[in-house]
Amino acid sequence: DGGITQSPKYLFRKEGQNVTLSCEQNLNHDAMYWYRQDPGQGLRLIYYSQIVNDFQKGDIAEGYSVSREKKESFPLTVTSAQKNPTAFYLCASSRTSQVLSGNTIYFGEGSWLTVV
Amino acid sequence: DQQVKQNSPSLSVQEGRISILNCDYTNSMFDYFLWYKKYPAEGPTFLISISSIKDKNEDGRFTVFLNKSAKHLSLHIVPSQPGDSAVYFCAASEGGANNLFFGTGTRLTVIP
Repeated sequence: DGGITQSPKYLFRKEGQNVTLSCEQNLNHDAMYWYRQDPGQGLRLIYYSQIVNDFQKGDIAEGYSVSREKKESFPLTVTSAQKNPTAFYLCASSRTSQVLSGNTIYFGEGSWLTVV
Repeated sequence: DQQVKQNSPSLSVQEGRISILNCDYTNSMFDYFLWYKKYPAEGPTFLISISSIKDKNEDGRFTVFLNKSAKHLSLHIVPSQPGDSAVYFCAASEGGANNLFFGTGTRLTVIP
């Protein structure tokens, strides 16, 4: 089945540790995104990638890093520099980098990260 | 500063009636708007969209209305069904840019 797979679904991290959230898509989409959702807030863009080996910072990139070595994969590392990492993280992809009719952003099921 | 706002955090509607979810935006450069539906612990799923060149787009039970002068859009669901119970997010884009700006969501509960 085509789709976006995020893993793990639930992750606990000790303060000071880096963790990496996996995102894989088999939709042959060029563009991939990472969003963060906090309670009572809308989704906020962390990083996006329009094509392999390229990525751009979103609105809240501080404390995060990404890589895009393969078209299918866009892992997100939450570093110890991220002050409030506890959140719901959503990976997404779209056929091209333009958000237009017929080119919608599709989301994975999300990963819950809790700092303990 | 929140550029897309959904001022009603929750809405309850009787099954079979109309659900109206509202969304306001502040950036007049937004030219493409989307609605997403989200169940708990799942990613949002695309519902319907509208370009700023239109004022209405319809897809089955779902209709989105756009009032550019008021910077307001709304999603109408008719008739509402219990399976429609979810959180609905509106989102906006400027010039087809990658960065979607999301509202805070409205939790819709359809009462059987």
